[in-house]
Amino acid sequence: EVQLVESGGGLVQPGGSLRLSCAASGFTLSSNSMTWVRQAPGKGLEWVANIHQDGIEKKYVDSVRGRFTISRDYTQNSIYLQMNNLRAEDAAVYYCARPGRCSGGRCYWDYWGQGTLVTVSS
Amino acid sequence: IQLTQSPSSLSASVGHRVIITCRASQDISTFLAWYQQQPGKAPKLLIYAASTLQSGVPSRFSGSGSGTDFTLTISSLQPEDFATYYCVQLNSYPFTFGQGTRLEIK
Repeated sequence: EVQLVESGGGLVQPGGSLRLSCAASGFTLSSNSMTWVRQAPGKGLEWVANIHQDGIEKKYVDSVRGRFTISRDYTQNSIYLQMNNLRAEDAAVYYCARPGRCSGGRCYWDYWGQGTLVTVSS
Repeated sequence: IQLTQSPSSLSASVGHRVIITCRASQDISTFLAWYQQQPGKAPKLLIYAASTLQSGVPSRFSGSGSGTDFTLTISSLQPEDFATYYCVQLNSYPFTFGQGTRLEIK
């Protein structure tokens, strides 16, 4: 059974750092790209970052590029989101998602974790 | 690419048909998916590639469209369908979501 479990969220001051983890089971990361999506309290969904299954190609939304880094560890079957210089607008529930349903050259997120809450406040 | 959903909120009764639209600011072919989100839960994939029903999703859900105009139809609303619905485009980076449509019980 495919499972994604996020951890690492918490309260951090503006300008601080946090590292989120997403542990995958039921499949191997080497066969999938992975994604982070976030949702600010009471707001909609926002795509944050993608890492290709090769671990090399990475994409970010403009608002986090240069501050966030997505990475993966094949030995731990996990992905990470290192978040630096956090701002109030980064406060959100962060979900990792697996784009496992593919069609026409695109893969759609079919499995999601339960999310981890990041609060940015002094 | 901006996605605009309409309506932003909707009240409907059990058994009724509901149509939610999603308009893209440029041609995205059929690289669009629909998600359902219940409060406090992760999104759930309903439709991908604009019109393909995800495995395990009831057949009362259907999707259509291509290019810039897309629709999600729920043919006969059930109590468990009251939730927020999002479209998302995977045509090009950055991937973008619509603002969401909140479906409430009338």
